[in-house]
Amino acid sequence: DIQMTQSPSSLSASVGDRVTITCRASQSISTYLNWYQQKPGKAPKLLISTASSLQSGVPSRFSGSGSGTDFTLTISSLQPEDFATYYCQQSYSTPRYTFGQGTKLEIK
Amino acid sequence: EVQLVESGGGLVQPGRSLRLSCTGSGFTFGDYAMSWVRQAPGKGLEWVGFIRNQAYGGTTEYAASVKGRFTISRDDSKSIAYLQMNSLKSEDTAVYYCTRDLAGITVAGFLDYWGQGTLVTVSS
Repeated sequence: DIQMTQSPSSLSASVGDRVTITCRASQSISTYLNWYQQKPGKAPKLLISTASSLQSGVPSRFSGSGSGTDFTLTISSLQPEDFATYYCQQSYSTPRYTFGQGTKLEIK
Repeated sequence: EVQLVESGGGLVQPGRSLRLSCTGSGFTFGDYAMSWVRQAPGKGLEWVGFIRNQAYGGTTEYAASVKGRFTISRDDSKSIAYLQMNSLKSEDTAVYYCTRDLAGITVAGFLDYWGQGTLVTVSS
């Protein structure tokens, strides 16, 4: 199985900050990497597919990049509604998906 | 508007069975693959299993942790996907999410719509 490792596991930041979350795959997955946002008590929401394709309706302050084994999710200017847990997910071995352990983004 | 609604969760004893349902609306259900994902209390996301659409044979795949115990099926005439869970264990306790899977439509899948989830608690 492809292992996905996110860093950091948690992060404290302030409104207006630029934040970057990293996801690393245990083998090359090309650009088959997706990002999800989950707020407490809610289902995850797809933000970005295939490493950098922003889903419809997702604010442009979110962006994704990377290929191979290393990927990043960047929020250019944090808004109050962005405080949540973020998960990466590989789809190289579709449909045998694996997720990162999550990054909890908290208010400083 | 695309919607997925899960039902059937609850408290069940170890070794017993439970069937979850996922009803889709707002899209042509039969055109899409479906995946189930679970989340144990306070933990991360774990892919459980997948069913292709009928154009790809409606075949299924499962995570190693549930293979042989869980079965996914679908009834496209009713826009429902099912997750039959047998021989349940305490470690199966989780919120179970039904998701619409773009596998087969895109080069690699992703989960673009999720239900609200249904809690399954396995305990005596």
